[in-house]
Amino acid sequence: DVKVTQSSRYLVKRTGEKVFLECVQDMDHENMFWYRQDPGLGLRLIYFSYDVKMKEKGDIPEGYSVSREKKERFSLILESASTNQTSMYLCASRYTDTQYFGPGTRLTVL
Amino acid sequence: GENVEQHPSTLSVQEGDSAVIKCTYSDSASNYFPWYKQELGKRPQLIIDIRSNVGEKKDQRIAVTLNKTAKHFSLHITETQPEDSAVYFCAAGITGNQFYFGTGTSLTVIP
Repeated sequence: DVKVTQSSRYLVKRTGEKVFLECVQDMDHENMFWYRQDPGLGLRLIYFSYDVKMKEKGDIPEGYSVSREKKERFSLILESASTNQTSMYLCASRYTDTQYFGPGTRLTVL
Repeated sequence: GENVEQHPSTLSVQEGDSAVIKCTYSDSASNYFPWYKQELGKRPQLIIDIRSNVGEKKDQRIAVTLNKTAKHFSLHITETQPEDSAVYFCAAGITGNQFYFGTGTSLTVIP
């Protein structure tokens, strides 16, 4: 059974803070993804990674960066959090074409 | 890039009736079309998918159809039950590349 975990379910941060969201998968998947989910906008891809040390920009990378130092871990970084980054963040890993999502982190930026 | 549109955004049906959710896509190179279900407070999970070399796929009460010429695909749920209430997302993409998701359909099955 594939397991994708995220470091926090809920997070509250202040404007300007540096925020780290971590995602870990236990199935040795090469592909990992970060999405944000907003009502009426669906799932929008922020960044993805096909392998360790590799990263690719998705559709909305502005204001975000990522890190993938180990195969099982994919981190999303908000360098300076802003209120418009308040959202649900979903991590996913992929095997063949099936994406396995984490439980999500609801981030509120005050 | 790919553009996926999904309709309707909300759908209410009586228990036992059928529900249909439709998506269109723009990139004719897309060859993989998954559907994800997200129950309230839970993570999205794959429920069915279809590839471009197939016109229809069925799994018990759910089915997906694909019309490559018109660039649209649909999810059909028959004999709906209260546990089918959820948000459903369609997606389109090329195998091995990123997928593009629709904006979601909130389905409510009324007992």
